[in-house]
Amino acid sequence: GESVGLHLPTLSVQEGDNSIINCAYSNSASDYFIWYKQESGKGPQFIIDIRSNMDKRQGQRVTVLLNKTVKHLSLQIAATQPGDSAVYFCAETTAGNQFYFGTGTSLTVIP
Amino acid sequence: KAGVTQTPRYLIKTRGQQVTLSCSPISGHRSVSWYQQTPGQGLQFLFEYFSETQRNKGNFPGRFSGRQFSNSRSEMNVSTLELGDSALYLCASSLGGMSNQPQHFGDGTRLSIL
Repeated sequence: GESVGLHLPTLSVQEGDNSIINCAYSNSASDYFIWYKQESGKGPQFIIDIRSNMDKRQGQRVTVLLNKTVKHLSLQIAATQPGDSAVYFCAETTAGNQFYFGTGTSLTVIP
Repeated sequence: KAGVTQTPRYLIKTRGQQVTLSCSPISGHRSVSWYQQTPGQGLQFLFEYFSETQRNKGNFPGRFSGRQFSNSRSEMNVSTLELGDSALYLCASSLGGMSNQPQHFGDGTRLSIL
């Protein structure tokens, strides 16, 4: 699972630029990963998922990359828009057991 | 298709009281998980129910309990409330089963303890 920190990492990007949000996980047996977006006052919203038998998966304006060797997950957002401003969480699980969530990264898009 | 519905959205309680939170999952989803979210600790797993049985449990004291009904709706109960229980309580549902499936969250119940 993820270690929990007291401070939320932050990322500021200009509107139109690409954003990359990173996540490290510790369990080499983790076989399923999800990225969530959480806006203020709302619950986490599913963005994209990836299984451990894949290295890359693309959605609409988003790409998730999985590097199992170094236990690293990243979310790439293309042409970042003001509506992308939110906190982004990665989540991992093993064999359908409980999910472990990262501490989150706060993304701010500058118009 | 309606999303995950949590009620109430906001609750104010005092220390020592108990509280019950409700969650209606997405239609057809049989797994319901509960999480506590605080600024300092992030999202922490409380428990998961599948087909009315608790399938997984996190590291929370016995004051936190839950149940699931035959229609997959779930309730979470916290007894003898403490100041530290102030948090956003989130419910997530998924199809369930043993294969990995995405969880979909409700907007939570904001619990404040005075």
